Amino acid sequence: DGGITQSPKYLFRKEGQNVTLSCEQNLNHDAMYWYRQDPGQGLRLIYYSQIVNDFQKGDIAEGYSVSREKKESFPLTVTSAQKNPTAFYLCASSETSASSYEQYFGPGTRLTVT
Amino acid sequence: GESVGLHLPTLSVQEGDNSIINCAYSNSASDYFIWYKQESGKGPQFIIDIRSNMDKRQGQRVTVLLNKTVKHLSLQIAATQPGDSAVYFCAERESRGSFTYGNNRLAFGKGNQVVVIP
Repeated sequence: DGGITQSPKYLFRKEGQNVTLSCEQNLNHDAMYWYRQDPGQGLRLIYYSQIVNDFQKGDIAEGYSVSREKKESFPLTVTSAQKNPTAFYLCASSETSASSYEQYFGPGTRLTVT
Repeated sequence: GESVGLHLPTLSVQEGDNSIINCAYSNSASDYFIWYKQESGKGPQFIIDIRSNMDKRQGQRVTVLLNKTVKHLSLQIAATQPGDSAVYFCAERESRGSFTYGNNRLAFGKGNQVVVIP
């Protein structure tokens, strides 16, 4: 089955610890994205990558870091500098051609920091 | 866990009735629009999309209407079923002319909660 996987589904961490969320896709998409979702709000873009070994900050990048060493993988690290890390995190991927702008989403990871 | 639908505008619909979900967008330069459905605790799923050179597009039980004059997008769901209960998001892509780095970004609305009453 082609798609995007995120793991784990639920993650619990103590305040002050860094945590890395996994995102893998086998859709052969060049572009990948990380979003944060809070109750009552739309999706807010954290980071995105259009090509391997390159990525750009989104609207709320502070306190987060990413890497894109492989086309299939785009892990997100939530650092201790992120003031309100508890949220639902969504990874997505898309083509970079003009034929389709649809973003395909993974199932999400719910992070709880106490 | 806490629902993504908390505090969102809510549309309650009787099963079998048609639903209309509205979305206002801000950028007149946006050239592509997309609707997603998100069930509680899951990732968004694609429903239908439309480019700015069209006013209407139909899918299975869904229709998207685009009014560029007033920057308004709507999603119509025919014969709403209990499985349609979810949060629905619209998103827009800002046109930036020829392909430039980063122009596949989408800007998402806050969403609307649809509750289907059996």
